[in-house]
Order: sequence, then structure tokens, then C-alpha cells
Amino acid sequence: NAGVTQTPKFQVLKTGQSMTLQCAQDMNHEYMSWYRQDPGMGLRLIHYSVGAGITDQGEVPNGYNVSRSTTEDFPLRLLSAAPSQTSVYFCASSPPSGRTYNEQFFGPGTRLTVL
Amino acid sequence: AQRVTQPEKLLSVFKGAPVELKCNYSYSGSPELFWYVQYSRQRLQLLLRHISRESIKGFTADLNKGETSFHLKKPFAQEEDSAMYYCALWVTGGGNKLTFGTGTQLKVEL
Repeated sequence: NAGVTQTPKFQVLKTGQSMTLQCAQDMNHEYMSWYRQDPGMGLRLIHYSVGAGITDQGEVPNGYNVSRSTTEDFPLRLLSAAPSQTSVYFCASSPPSGRTYNEQFFGPGTRLTVL
Repeated sequence: AQRVTQPEKLLSVFKGAPVELKCNYSYSGSPELFWYVQYSRQRLQLLLRHISRESIKGFTADLNKGETSFHLKKPFAQEEDSAMYYCALWVTGGGNKLTFGTGTQLKVEL
């Protein structure tokens, strides 16, 4: 199993450009999520999904879109990049376990710089 | 709203000294708490969860509902413990979400 994979590893954008960060998992996990990691702010949840066709907003969803057409993939779209979106982005997935979702498995991250 | 507080950005200890990474939370529901760790150039990974009441790599954490705390402890720090540690709270009200603290960088010096 490859686990959780993310592409690209690094990306530089100009203000106003759009792009999609890719995330895939091969563990048949139902729950997937996107976080951004900023110095001094920890990880903040952007969007999450509890299964194919179902998405919901996290703590900082503005400027980002997601979709979940398959169990495996959960892409994150930046609609019009802004310097405030410069960050490291992590995708994670976890299997359901009763009423909670246990261990989250993280991808390697994508380092995004917006100029 | 739920919140996880890690008051120390950086904690520096000597090898062999005890370690305590502090974590406090605020949540109106029944808390489910976790510690995640990120070693240099590695992925974020689960260290332990309170519900398992386990010891991983010598680390333990006890949930204290009265003090709303979930501090991470290890009696004798090792050099390989140097990493970023995040406390996280699973929230089920209004959705299923994991809320992270801001993290504590642990540096174990020789």
C-alpha cells in the first residue's frame, strides 16, 4: 500500500492563479480531510469528507473547494490564489470505527508559495 | 467552541530528564484526545490516544477531566524524542472533526 499520497510536493503560484492539490489513498478509508499548517498556528482543518459524495467545511474553508467523487481521491482546489494561502497542506484519511474515526494517516504534504 | 491549547512553543530538556508537554482543552462534550508527532522530514503520525490508555515509546498521557488537561509525559527523555508534538481533540458535535493545538517543539539536548 502506498498509503496517502499527495502531489505536487512543491508549488509556486502567482496571485490569482488557480490550481488543484491532489490527494489519494489506497486504504479504502471513508474519512478524508485537508489541513493547512502555518507557523505558530498548528494544523487547521480546511474541508473534510465522510464518504464519496459528501463534503463539509472545516475551520478555514474560504478560498478552497473540494469534491469527493470516489473513495480514493479528495482533491483540493484553490480558486484564486492569494499570498495568505502560502502554507504547507496536508491530506489525511482514516477508517471509521464505530462512532468515531480513529487514527488519521497523513500524506507527506505539499508546500505552496503564492507570490 | 472547542479549543486545544498548548502553551509552550518550544521545550528544551537534557537527555535523561523528565518531559511533560502540556495540553489543555475546552469542549462541552465528552472529549476524545490524541497526541500526534512529527519527526524531522517525516509525516505526522499518531503517537497515542487517551481511550487506549497505552504507553508508546515510553510516553503516557492521562485525561484529567477536572483540569481539562491531557499532558504528555515521559520519565527519561531520549535524543530521538526531538520532534514537533501536537495535541488534538476529536469533535463530533456539528460534524466529525479533529481540532489541533498549535504544537510544541521538543528539543532533547545531550
